Order: sequence, then C-alpha cells, then structure tokens
Amino acid sequence: EVQLVQSGAEVKKPGESLKISCEASGYSFSSYWIGWVRQMPGKGLEWMGIIYPGDSDTRYSPSFQGQVTISADKSISTAYLQWSSLKASDTAMYYCARHGRVATIPPDSWGQGTLVTVSS
Amino acid sequence: QSALTQPASVSGSPGQSITISCTGTSSDVGGYNYVSWYQQHPGKAPKLMIYEVTNRPSGVSNRFSGSKSGNTASLTISGLQAEDEADYYCSSYTRSSTLFGGGTKLTVL
Repeated sequence: EVQLVQSGAEVKKPGESLKISCEASGYSFSSYWIGWVRQMPGKGLEWMGIIYPGDSDTRYSPSFQGQVTISADKSISTAYLQWSSLKASDTAMYYCARHGRVATIPPDSWGQGTLVTVSS
Repeated sequence: QSALTQPASVSGSPGQSITISCTGTSSDVGGYNYVSWYQQHPGKAPKLMIYEVTNRPSGVSNRFSGSKSGNTASLTISGLQAEDEADYYCSSYTRSSTLFGGGTKLTVL
C-alpha cells in the first residue's frame, strides 16, 4: 500500500525559512515522480511542481518557480518542500502527492497535508 | 496555463444522478486520456475517484463514473448519497505541468 506521511503543522514568522517533508513507503520511491500541491484557505488545488527522485530532475509550475525549492533524498524515501523567506501569503495547506512514472500525469496518492501558518 | 473550468456548485437529491463537467483545451483534456477526478471532504486530503478518464481505483464505488468528449471531461455520480457531499476536482496531464480544475462543491439536498 502506498503511504505518504507528511511532517507536522508549522507556525512561522514572515522572513523565516522552512522545510517540510513527505516520507514515502509501499513502492519504489526512486521510480515515480512526486510533487507538491498548495491549497490556500477556502480555495482550490494548485500544482506547484514535481521531482523524480531517481535523478533529481525537477519541474516547477511557473507560478512557483523561484519561490520554493523541491528536493528529495532517495536514501530515506523522503521528498521536501522548502522556503528561504516565508510570506504571509504562503499560509496554506500543502500536500505531497505521488504522480506516475511519466512526469505530469495526475497524482494517484496523497499525503495527509501539512498546514503552514505565516504570521507576525 | 489556465486552470480547467468546472462549475462552482452542483446539487442533487438522494438517489438522483449528477454530472460535473471539466473543460480544458486540446493541449490538456482533449489531447490525452490522462484525466483524474478527486473527492475532498472538509479538512481531509483529496482522494482519487477516477483516473485515465474512465477507470476507478480499487475500493471506489461503481456509482462514480468518468467520461470525455472533445475538450470536456465529466464525472457522473449515480444514486446520490449524503456521504457524497464534498468538493470535487478534475486534473489533467499536459506536457509541462499538471492542471487542476477550480473545484465543484456538491450539495446533497
């Protein structure tokens, strides 16, 4: 069974950095693209980008390029989403999601979500 | 790329059938058979209901079905039940990204 377990909720101040994680199990982590989806309060799903853990090939939505960094450590089957300087507008729920063996096929499994709150 | 277009809301009575549409372009919905549908209850993660336009994952009720015509995909829920009340999102493959629809709130009257 595919499982994606995300790190816990975070409360940060504007300007602070943050790295959240998503630990995968139940499949060959290196062989499937894995990505991140943002859901702002009361809003819809927004695709942020994906990474192929096998070779760290990474693709970003133009809306998020330069705003976040996606990475993965295949030795511990974990993907990451990172900010260097948070803004209040980054307040949202963030989901990791497993895509297919082809990069941008819609995901089939989701993590439970990590709530990020940015407030002074 | 713009999000896929879904109606903001639909409603139906228990036992009825409803259909949610998802309109894109020939570069996404119309060009590939990689359309998925997700159900999201409040405070929960999205759940895959339909993949590759018409396929149901194991464990998903056969009351849920998917189809596509041209640039529009559709999700039909038959025999509506109270537990079907949720937000529904479509998603499509494109060569450069994964697109999501804006979401449709289903109300079971």
